[in-house]
Amino acid sequence: GAGVSQSPSNKVTEKGKDVELRCDPISGHTALYWYRQSLGQGLEFLIYFQGNSAPDKSGLPSDRFSAERTGGSVSTLTIQRTQQEDSAVYLCASRDSLQHYGYTFGSGTRLTVV
Amino acid sequence: DQQVKQNSPSLSVQEGRISILNCDYTNSMFDYFLWYKKYPAEGPTFLISISSIKDKNEDGRFTVFLNKSAKHLSLHIVPSQPGDSAVYFCAASSGGYQKVTFGTGTKLQVIP
Repeated sequence: GAGVSQSPSNKVTEKGKDVELRCDPISGHTALYWYRQSLGQGLEFLIYFQGNSAPDKSGLPSDRFSAERTGGSVSTLTIQRTQQEDSAVYLCASRDSLQHYGYTFGSGTRLTVV
Repeated sequence: DQQVKQNSPSLSVQEGRISILNCDYTNSMFDYFLWYKKYPAEGPTFLISISSIKDKNEDGRFTVFLNKSAKHLSLHIVPSQPGDSAVYFCAASSGGYQKVTFGTGTKLQVIP
């Protein structure tokens, strides 16, 4: 597709359940990022994938969070045993290695943990 | 530790006037700065950027100014239009584009 696609757009889950959020980056983009925006907060970095290199996981808030990027394309962010503080908009972005004008973001997944 | 700070959560400006959005940073290693614009229910979109070797970059109605000694940058929108109403995020990176650190955003309202 022309842009970064994220699914689902909205997800409501019960506390303690696991959730998976999906990101389809722009075809050919080698870099993929996950951020989240909690209510009233800025964009918080979670994880970064660049080609075949080991991902930068320095932003993951706990070991309940994990992410994969299969075949250098689609990425899945998994949150295990969700907590209410995990409620946020999760944003995925991708970038071409030659691009010097910032990321292209998807529309995000709004996660609500009840 | 908030390395990129936008101290004004909101700003209201009359249509046709200048909007000035401010941003401060603490990490002296940052060498590339960006502004993003975000409408509700959409992802942020890139607006304008500036390298630390410059002190000004202009793109149409949008100009970004960088004051390295003060660790401060600002985005000027002239003239402001109602369609500019959005949340504006300041962002910074160092040593390439591996990871960008974002501020908390400023909500701009342009009043017709």
